[in-house]
Amino acid sequence: NAGVTQTPKFRILKIGQSMTLQCTQDMNHNYMYWYRQDPGMGLKLIYYSVGAGITDKGEVPNGYNVSRSTTEDFPLRLELAAPSQTSVYFCASSYRGESGNQPQHFGDGTRLSIL
Amino acid sequence: SQKIEQNSEALNIQEGKTATLTCNYTNYSPAYLQWYRQDPGRGPVFLLLIRENEKEKRKERLKVTFDTTLKQSLFHITASQPADSATYLCALLNAGGTSYGKLTFGQGTILTVHP
Repeated sequence: NAGVTQTPKFRILKIGQSMTLQCTQDMNHNYMYWYRQDPGMGLKLIYYSVGAGITDKGEVPNGYNVSRSTTEDFPLRLELAAPSQTSVYFCASSYRGESGNQPQHFGDGTRLSIL
Repeated sequence: SQKIEQNSEALNIQEGKTATLTCNYTNYSPAYLQWYRQDPGRGPVFLLLIRENEKEKRKERLKVTFDTTLKQSLFHITASQPADSATYLCALLNAGGTSYGKLTFGQGTILTVHP
């Protein structure tokens, strides 16, 4: 199994450009998450989804949008890139069943620089 | 305000010694606490989970304790090896957030084990 796959691995954007960070998982997990990680700051939750068609804001959603049309895919959209969005972005997935929430599985991240 | 802190930004120890990492939290009622390992350029990888009604959990050379009175978790690596060098993240699931599986992460502790 590939687990959680994120593309691209690296990207440089100019201020004001837009792009979509792709995330797909092959574990049939119902929950998916987007985080950003800045140096020394830990992981901050941007958006999450508890199933196809359902998304909600996390701690730092401004400047981002998401969609969840399938169980497998959870893309993150930056509409007007700003230097403050320079960060490493991680996608994660987990399964919630009758026994509760299982641990999260992470992709290897997208390193994004806005210049 | 809610806060989760890992006391040491960096910890250096000699091979064979026990590494002890600390995670403190305030204004949370965690349902459970998790520890993840993150290597440079990679996403976090789940290591251990401990629930609010558990005092201690072990897995091979790893041990986690959870003291809800002190609002603290300790993460121990016994007989440490240079291969244990990585960043270690604690994360908690607040009791009120169990239905969404949203984790709050500490900022991480960089562990270096010297040969």
